[in-house]
Amino acid sequence: EPEVTQTPSHQVTQMGQEVILRCVPISNHLYFYWYRQILGQKVEFLVSFYNNEISEKSEIFDDQFSVERPDGSNFTLKIRSTKLEDSAMYFCAASTEMNTEAFFGQGTRLTVV
Amino acid sequence: AQSVTQPDIHITVSEGASLELRCNYSYGATPYLFWYVQSPGQGLQLLLKYFSGDTLVQGIKGFEAEFKRSQSSFNLRKPSVHWSDAAEYFCAVGTTSGTYKYIFGTGTRLKVLA
Repeated sequence: EPEVTQTPSHQVTQMGQEVILRCVPISNHLYFYWYRQILGQKVEFLVSFYNNEISEKSEIFDDQFSVERPDGSNFTLKIRSTKLEDSAMYFCAASTEMNTEAFFGQGTRLTVV
Repeated sequence: AQSVTQPDIHITVSEGASLELRCNYSYGATPYLFWYVQSPGQGLQLLLKYFSGDTLVQGIKGFEAEFKRSQSSFNLRKPSVHWSDAAEYFCAVGTTSGTYKYIFGTGTRLKVLA
């Protein structure tokens, strides 16, 4: 069983639409992260989340982005009004403690058209 | 500023040949260091990690890496490459100051010739 499962694996959306990317870590993970990878570029940190609040966010994580863990299991990333430049692979990661290895999901490839 | 540099964007080796992928980091404190592998269309799989102790760490799939503080390097090695090792490899630093997060290098794409 993978440590982190992401859905969907691929999503195509029209510019301006809202998308929600989902992540399900196994139950003993406490720290959660979203990263993104624009095609051909490096993996970039978006946001970290602990104890039901954002711990840190990057400059990429503007007001169009939000995260939540509504039911204690799913960890979601919402993009309110997608732009073409939001097209990327989005990775969820989780860890059991701070300063340990993070387990990454398989990623969601978001394509904004 | 914290950063990770992987100077080689692409590397091509023949199957059975040895491999070394370079990684240099810039970080004020003792870093936590990782190597991840990403096969096409797949997520990031942890190959190995260094937190402290022995500077030569062993990972999965026959990979190893050596932490050299004096050179700020954490190079990944494999003595004999298999065709299935063709993938993209990312070096990452786990920051221990402030909120914990990873800083990734730009990746090295490995091609293996039969």
